[in-house]
Amino acid sequence: KQEVTQIPAALSVPEGENLVLNCSFTDSAIYNLQWFRQDPGKGLTSLLLIQSSQREQTSGRLNASLDKSSGRSTLYIAASQPGDSATYLCAVRREGSSNTGKLIFGQGTTLQVKP
Amino acid sequence: GAGVSQSPRYKVAKRGQDVALRCDPISGHVSLFWYQQALGQGPEFLTYFQNEAQLDKSGLPSDRFFAERPEGSVSTLKIQRTQQEDSAVYLCASSFPGVSYGYTFGSGTRLTVV
Repeated sequence: KQEVTQIPAALSVPEGENLVLNCSFTDSAIYNLQWFRQDPGKGLTSLLLIQSSQREQTSGRLNASLDKSSGRSTLYIAASQPGDSATYLCAVRREGSSNTGKLIFGQGTTLQVKP
Repeated sequence: GAGVSQSPRYKVAKRGQDVALRCDPISGHVSLFWYQQALGQGPEFLTYFQNEAQLDKSGLPSDRFFAERPEGSVSTLKIQRTQQEDSAVYLCASSFPGVSYGYTFGSGTRLTVV
């Protein structure tokens, strides 16, 4: 059974710091991994999608890496800003799920960036 | 539309009441998913449609939960005889078919059963 774990559960940093959020998964047979952002009371906003054949993806100040063999992904946020405060979720799509599309989510890391 | 639209945004139901939650996916997105998110948790898969076909309903927690997508576009998640444990945010997502595409989520419906 695929399990996804995110560490830490919560993180508080001063504005301007670079930070790393961690995601691990138990079964390396995945199609892809996706990072989402969720603001309080809101839905999920997709940040980055990494296919299983890729090692990393970048968008602005965000960089996500994927090490499929070790079952790990990291989301790097450069020069953090108070507007980055949110919950960050990672989710994997398992191989063999082409007919289901099921994503398995971690519990998220809640980030607070203090001005 | 430009995004996935869900309605209502909030729903308060008395225990035992039936509710219906609506999802309007992005035009052209063949795949549609429903997820349930309890407070402080990550979303959990409920069911998946490809066009009008419900290909996976393994995540539906009981037979009180029913989903449909009769014309392959708008979908409705129905919960009969609601219980307090049904209180959660219900998220809908849509996507193009195939594993190369990511999912676009709606803002969700927050259901509170009192």
